Amino acid sequence: EDQVTQSPEALRLQEGESSSLNCSYTVSGLRGLFWYRQDPGKGPEFLFTLYSAGEEKEKERLKATLTKKESFLHITAPKPEDSATYLCAVRSGGSNYKLTFGKGTLLTVNP
Amino acid sequence: EAGVAQSPRYKIIEKRQSVAFWCNPISGHATLYWYQQILGQGPKLLIQFQNNGVVDDSQLPKDRFSAERLKGVDSTLKIQPAKLEDSAVYLCASSREVPDTQYFGPGTRLTVL
Repeated sequence: EDQVTQSPEALRLQEGESSSLNCSYTVSGLRGLFWYRQDPGKGPEFLFTLYSAGEEKEKERLKATLTKKESFLHITAPKPEDSATYLCAVRSGGSNYKLTFGKGTLLTVNP
Repeated sequence: EAGVAQSPRYKIIEKRQSVAFWCNPISGHATLYWYQQILGQGPKLLIQFQNNGVVDDSQLPKDRFSAERLKGVDSTLKIQPAKLEDSAVYLCASSREVPDTQYFGPGTRLTVL
């Protein structure tokens, strides 16, 4: 069974204080690792897809990296508007390419 | 491009009542998903449609939950009868094909009293 563990559960940063979120996974045949952002009362918003170890993707202050066992979401010089829950999900093979989500990391950036 | 639409946004019912949720996917997306997200948890897949056929419903509590996708576009998810533990946000997502990036709607927050 595919498993995703995210840490920490919650992270509080000061504006401009860089940090990283972790996503550890076990999956039979990785067909993609996804990062989503979820604001309160809204559905998850797609950020990145990573497919192979060593791959990196960047968007504004966010950079996602992937190894064979985990992924990191690096946040550089965060702003209060980066406050949200960040969800990690893995997609396995099979007939339906099912997504399995972690519980998320709640990020709060204080001004 | 319009996103995934869901209605209603909020619903409060008493246990043993029935409820239905509606989803309209992004135009042209063949695959539609229903997820359940309990507070503090990540989304859990309930059912996946490819056009109007079911691909995976292994985690759908079939004694009380049902879903359909007529004509391969809109979909409805029904709960009958509802239990207290069904209180959650029900998310609909769609993708062009399988596999492809899933795009989510705003969700329906269900409270069962």
